[in-house]
Amino acid sequence: GAVVSQHPSRVICKSGTSVKIECRSLDFQATTMFWYRQFPKQSLMLMATSNEGSKATYEQGVEKDKFLINHASLTLSTLTVTSAHPEDSSFYICSARGGTSGGSSYNEQFFGPGTRLTVL
Amino acid sequence: RKEVEQDPGPFNVPEGATVAFNCTYSNSASQSFFWYRQDCRKEPKLLMSVYSSGNEDGRFTAQLNRASQYISLLIRDSKLSDSATYLCVVFMNRDDKIIFGKGTRLHILP
Repeated sequence: GAVVSQHPSRVICKSGTSVKIECRSLDFQATTMFWYRQFPKQSLMLMATSNEGSKATYEQGVEKDKFLINHASLTLSTLTVTSAHPEDSSFYICSARGGTSGGSSYNEQFFGPGTRLTVL
Repeated sequence: RKEVEQDPGPFNVPEGATVAFNCTYSNSASQSFFWYRQDCRKEPKLLMSVYSSGNEDGRFTAQLNRASQYISLLIRDSKLSDSATYLCVVFMNRDDKIIFGKGTRLHILP
């Protein structure tokens, strides 16, 4: 299947700092990328959907000024957690969806390996 | 009613046994269905898509019942490596939204 990378895989930061997470589709062009957050023992929760070249669509309850998303190219989306606080500590996962590729369904999403954020 | 519901488990099953997971969804407009597998502290990985006609991939069989809004996953001859959380996923084309169930944890016992 297609490959999606995330960087960094793990980050520890002090409260009040900003953290940027990168999501890249390595072997296909991702027209749409999704950002999820997963707290321990909970399901994935969609935070926002981003389409290349346009503003992200945020889910209800997700602060767009706190979680800045930039999808500047068909292979890269970034999530910046601004002024991070301990309650932002979570597992952040991106996924990418492109056109049909290698027989995969358009609806199929390819997930990055995730970024574990710990805010002290 | 939650949009996608699964029994959280955990299911503790001896190696070699058959295990079945169920999932119900509330929105009849849902159009695509998937089972994902998630290992502890890892990202979800697609296990299989679910079609109305049912589909099988080795030891795994998935079925969809649109009338009852019900999806199932059957694992035969379970292996220790099958231990994971299995996520039921529903996609709605109209809203371009993918919704994950909370997942069912499976522990295969030696």
